Amino acid sequence: EVELVESGGGLVQPGRSLRLSCAASGFTFRDYAMHWVRQAPGKGLEWVSGINWSGATITYSDSVKGRFTISRDNAKNSLYLQLSSLRPEDTALYYCAKDVGQLGNWYFDLWGRGTLVTVSS
Amino acid sequence: QSVLTQPVSASGTPGQRVRISCSGSRSNIGSNTLNWYQQLPGTAPKLLIYSNHQRPSGVPDRFSGSKSGTSGSLAISGLQSEDEADYYCAAWDDSLNGWVFGGGTKLTVL
Repeated sequence: EVELVESGGGLVQPGRSLRLSCAASGFTFRDYAMHWVRQAPGKGLEWVSGINWSGATITYSDSVKGRFTISRDNAKNSLYLQLSSLRPEDTALYYCAKDVGQLGNWYFDLWGRGTLVTVSS
Repeated sequence: QSVLTQPVSASGTPGQRVRISCSGSRSNIGSNTLNWYQQLPGTAPKLLIYSNHQRPSGVPDRFSGSKSGTSGSLAISGLQSEDEADYYCAAWDDSLNGWVFGGGTKLTVL
């Protein structure tokens, strides 16, 4: 079955760090760019970061640049997002999404169910 | 404030046709294709329309998309109760070097 499964979310204090993971199955993971998209409670979708098929090209939204780090391990069919210097406004459901292309600027044809990150003291 | 502008809400009765607009700029919709995602209550988003007007396998032909210049729209004909959801437009932005979404439109079937 083709699917993405996120994990690693939880309750974390402001200023602390967290690492999210996304396990891919059912498709050739190394052939596609991947993304993280988040959704704050009751709000809309916000693209967070993207990484091309090889990991050589990475992009971030201005809201997380310098604080979040995206990476991938094609041997493990996994995508990661390291969240640092967390702020309350980072509280959201974080989705992993597969791009239909290698570079990351096509569209997202597969989404996971998300993992919830709550930043609060 | 989202980069792409959508109406906050839309509504229609069963069988009606509704249209949801999405407005952007030259660096996003004006230069790249427009995509639409449907998010049913309590679920993850799902690809609904890609490359302006293409439908993925399994999406009913009641859903159609179009784009002209820096704007686009999603049309739903023969509205059904199961179409009640949030709809988001999205495009790659060449200036921001990233993806931008609309704020989302909540569709209510009356």
